[in-house]
Amino acid sequence: GQQLNQSPQSMFIQEGEDVSMNCTSSSIFNTWLWYKQDPGEGPVLLIALYKAGELTSNGRLTAQFGITRKDSFLNISASIPSDVGIYFCAGMNYGGSQGNLIFGKGTKLSVKP
Amino acid sequence: NAGVTQTPKFQVLKTGQSMTLQCAQDMNHNSMYWYRQDPGMGLRLIYYSASEGTTDKGEVPNGYNVSRLNKREFSLRLESAAPSQTSVYFCASSQRGTIKDGYTFGSGTRLTVV
Repeated sequence: GQQLNQSPQSMFIQEGEDVSMNCTSSSIFNTWLWYKQDPGEGPVLLIALYKAGELTSNGRLTAQFGITRKDSFLNISASIPSDVGIYFCAGMNYGGSQGNLIFGKGTKLSVKP
Repeated sequence: NAGVTQTPKFQVLKTGQSMTLQCAQDMNHNSMYWYRQDPGMGLRLIYYSASEGTTDKGEVPNGYNVSRLNKREFSLRLESAAPSQTSVYFCASSQRGTIKDGYTFGSGTRLTVV
């Protein structure tokens, strides 16, 4: 089946630093999503990307849908302590009877005040 | 709006016991999903229901059964729990045909099988 490679697995950064993480796939997707999971909670959608080359921002977060449709990255600028959590990328080809998200294994972010 | 509600939040089972995890959504979504989350493995799909009355296997269905009781509710049953089923289980829902709002997840059920 389709698999996503998400990197890095974990990051330890200082408050105020910028963060970058990415996802790559061996096959193409027509949608890329980025989720954040706070400790003890379910994932929450941060950004959705629907078109190759699309660059979308949500506050301090910026994500891009790769031109090849096989990758995506997420940047967080000027990190703050509440950015701590696990970030998941997810790819999807929706339509027909199946439209399931394929998740990366997550990037665990730790922020030192 | 409550979104997606899962019960119970925590559960400890003995090997061989059975239980049902409950999930309900109030967003009138067509599709519902059950995922399990294990350290370093991300989220893996167990079963999904594209619409009321249909269910299909996901990536890791063995040892589980599901029931789409109605449009709102989608339950996950462990008939004979095994230690390998110790995990955090998430239910999610989406509106079939559009991914505009992504999937909405519940807050999870933390299951330990001893």
